[in-house]
Amino acid sequence: GNSVTQMEGPVTLSEEAFLTINCTYTATGYPSLFWYVQYPGEGLQLLLKATKADDKGSNKGFEATYRKETTSFHLEKGSVQVSDSAVYFCALQGGVTGGGNKLTFGTGTQLKVEL
Amino acid sequence: KAGVTQTPRYLIKTRGQQVTLSCSPISGHRSVSWYQQTPGQGLQFLFEYFSETQRNKGNFPGRFSGRQFSNSRSEMNVSTLELGDSALYLCASRQGIGDNQPQHFGDGTRLSIL
Repeated sequence: GNSVTQMEGPVTLSEEAFLTINCTYTATGYPSLFWYVQYPGEGLQLLLKATKADDKGSNKGFEATYRKETTSFHLEKGSVQVSDSAVYFCALQGGVTGGGNKLTFGTGTQLKVEL
Repeated sequence: KAGVTQTPRYLIKTRGQQVTLSCSPISGHRSVSWYQQTPGQGLQFLFEYFSETQRNKGNFPGRFSGRQFSNSRSEMNVSTLELGDSALYLCASRQGIGDNQPQHFGDGTRLSIL
């Protein structure tokens, strides 16, 4: 079945540092890929998406490119802020074995940004 | 546009009781899915409803059930509660059921079992 692997956290960065959170996936077919962010005490917010190979999703300075050849969807941001501190989830939906196209999530990566 | 609304936000129950959680999707969204989030198991899919029909079900015991009404609102029920059912239950809605349609989440209901 589908699966998502993302880097372990927590990741601690200084403000204005460059961020990369790695995400790789296993799926047959052509799933859609997503990054969600969760702030303490809240649900998941959709951060960005990409629905086909080589698509680049972007939002609020975050970017991720759908790389089918490496089955990856790494999240990047050029300059993080304290307000970016949260847990980030990589997820996929669909593909041939999508099982009814539910979301399959990675384990989440906690990001802490310090002044 | 209002987001996904889940009620109640917090619930405390005891073992053996049952509980019903409610979810109102974004206006115009016809698909509603439920997920369970725990520190140990992460985010796990429970079920999805579309046009009042269950389309897909995750690997949870029959104590977990749901339904969807004609206005797309959904409820989830858990019977004979166990300590391990303590979790954040998240509802998500989307307009249709295509792979490329993102799901939008509510803030969840935090269920604690004593």
